[in-house]
Amino acid sequence: AQTVTQSQPEMSVQEAETVTLSCTYDTSESNYYLFWYKQPPSRQMILVIRQEAYKQQNATENRFSVNFQKAAKSFSLKISDSQLGDTAMYFCAFMRYTGTASKLTFGTGTRLQVTL
Amino acid sequence: GAVVSQHPSRVICKSGTSVKIECRSLDFQATTMFWYRQFPKQSLMLMATSNEGSKATYEQGVEKDKFLINHASLTLSTLTVTSAHPEDSSFYICSAPSGGANTEAFFGQGTRLTVV
Repeated sequence: AQTVTQSQPEMSVQEAETVTLSCTYDTSESNYYLFWYKQPPSRQMILVIRQEAYKQQNATENRFSVNFQKAAKSFSLKISDSQLGDTAMYFCAFMRYTGTASKLTFGTGTRLQVTL
Repeated sequence: GAVVSQHPSRVICKSGTSVKIECRSLDFQATTMFWYRQFPKQSLMLMATSNEGSKATYEQGVEKDKFLINHASLTLSTLTVTSAHPEDSSFYICSAPSGGANTEAFFGQGTRLTVV
């Protein structure tokens, strides 16, 4: 079974600053994907960024980037130039991949507050 | 992008009654859908995997007779909470993989169930 750990229940960052959210995972699988999802107050789950385990290059999506350390089983999310709209719960998630998408295992989440 | 519609968004029911929640993939076919439960300020926990044309697969500890899942077509899965009790009050979210080798999962808007 897979486990996903987010050790920061809450984080705060000022607008325009950079913040890093931590995530570690444990698995014996060799083929998997890692995700960061954002859940704003509306509670709609929104995909922020995705990383394929077989790729060494870290994924980036505009202001969002990850630091994927496969050997250490670490998958942190960096948000640059933070905006008020980034305020949300952020969940790290693991997915075992067998050729098609499968269920997600989520971490406990980090509540991010962006302040003026 | 692909859209998953979940209905209703909120429901209040009396103890002992049953409630049905629908999850529809609007512009793609989903042979598999996933049902998650989220308690306040907690993470998403997978309840079951809904499979079109066959029985759902339930996670350990989830009562299959209480949480009935039907996946009657390639675009619709339903979760029925039978004989609801106050402890069943929660936020329920469905998701569907976009299909094929694509790993992105699309989430419904969620249903807030309150049992009184």
